[in-house]
Amino acid sequence: DTAVSQTPKYLVTQMGNDKSIKCEQNLGHDTMYWYKQDSKKFLKIMFSYNNKELIINETVPNRFSPKSPDKAHLNLHINSLELGDSAVYFCASSQSIAGDTQYFGPGTRLTVL
Amino acid sequence: KNEVEQSPQNLTAQEGEFITINCSYSVGISALHWLQQHPGGGIVSLFMLSSGKKKHGRLIATINIQEKHSSLHITASHPRDSAVYICAVTPNTGNQFYFGTGTSLTVIP
Repeated sequence: DTAVSQTPKYLVTQMGNDKSIKCEQNLGHDTMYWYKQDSKKFLKIMFSYNNKELIINETVPNRFSPKSPDKAHLNLHINSLELGDSAVYFCASSQSIAGDTQYFGPGTRLTVL
Repeated sequence: KNEVEQSPQNLTAQEGEFITINCSYSVGISALHWLQQHPGGGIVSLFMLSSGKKKHGRLIATINIQEKHSSLHITASHPRDSAVYICAVTPNTGNQFYFGTGTSLTVIP
């Protein structure tokens, strides 16, 4: 059973489109995260939700909007996609926000043409 | 300047060698994490530590809170250890996470 799953694994789209990436965890964790990994492989946190509440919201364009319908899901919606949004996006979860071990999803490679 | 610095950036070793990757950070932390990213892209959490030393198989992680420094050691390295190793810290103020830029390890048979 996959602990943290993301869909889709690959996403190729045109500039200006709106797209969503879904994330689900079956670990019973309270906290979920979205990370962006750029072409230089640098990981950067984007958002964190704890019990469906937004905890971390880094300097991310308003075009990115996370949505957490329940503790097990944290989806990422991106409006008006730009070339610079091309990256690998990782979802992760942990038991709580307090520095617990994080479990990562397989990543979604987004390519904006 | 990044809050977390790793060295070396790239490392090539012969199979069987003892490997050390270093991580220094500049903020007070509640926890430090070592992550492994395989060539296929998947990320695995190796260790989370806030003091002392942890061991898992051939991997050992140590942390010195006073010196704000952690090391990841791999004993008897193997080609399957080839990956990018990332150090990350959870500061003890706020909810931010800080990541190092990673160390790319290649172990040659």
